[in-house]
Amino acid sequence: RKEVEQDPGPFNVPEGATVAFNCTYSNSASQSFFWYRQDCRKEPKLLMSVYSSGNEDGRFTAQLNRASQYISLLIRDSKLSDSATYLCVVNDNYQLIWGAGTKLIIKP
Amino acid sequence: DAGVIQSPRHEVTEMGQEVTLRCKPISGHNSLFWYRQTMMRGLELLIYFNNNVPIDDSGMPEDRFSAKMPNASFSTLKIQPSEPRDSAVYFCASSLGGGPNTEAFFGQGTRLTVV
Repeated sequence: RKEVEQDPGPFNVPEGATVAFNCTYSNSASQSFFWYRQDCRKEPKLLMSVYSSGNEDGRFTAQLNRASQYISLLIRDSKLSDSATYLCVVNDNYQLIWGAGTKLIIKP
Repeated sequence: DAGVIQSPRHEVTEMGQEVTLRCKPISGHNSLFWYRQTMMRGLELLIYFNNNVPIDDSGMPEDRFSAKMPNASFSTLKIQPSEPRDSAVYFCASSLGGGPNTEAFFGQGTRLTVV
């Protein structure tokens, strides 16, 4: 079993819709969690950290469920510019463990 | 700040040749990471330095790969001899502190093609 697992997608979503995807992790002692965004042929960039109580940044909401060992990312009112690959990252004993990413395509 | 700087951006080389990838981390960052990304395997950590010292190189595929960090502002990843299966995008990233909530900043990557 992979340490961090994501549905690779692609998720094809109409503009304006809400989309959510999850990421599961295997180590219950993992300390912190992040969502990164990677555009085609570009480097990954931090989208948001994921806090225990859940956090929101504009149209983006991240949540952590420690009991079930997953984190989620919700995007509301999706824009064409949200099309990208979203990478889930888990900090495991001070090392970043990366998911393979979920590809999101927003269609006009 | 210029961010993490990698060179070259693109490299095409023949099988068997030596390849050297270079990275300049963000000034003041004390952790540096080399990653490899392919469609098949996603983003893989190759090696991680903290204060110029290699901490974890378990991701280095084999002896053909080596990495050095002679000082806080420069690191190299060398492949000798290169093989077609080494074709990938190689990213360097740096972070401050390496603690649990540390953000990693990536360079633009080196796209390596071995023919």
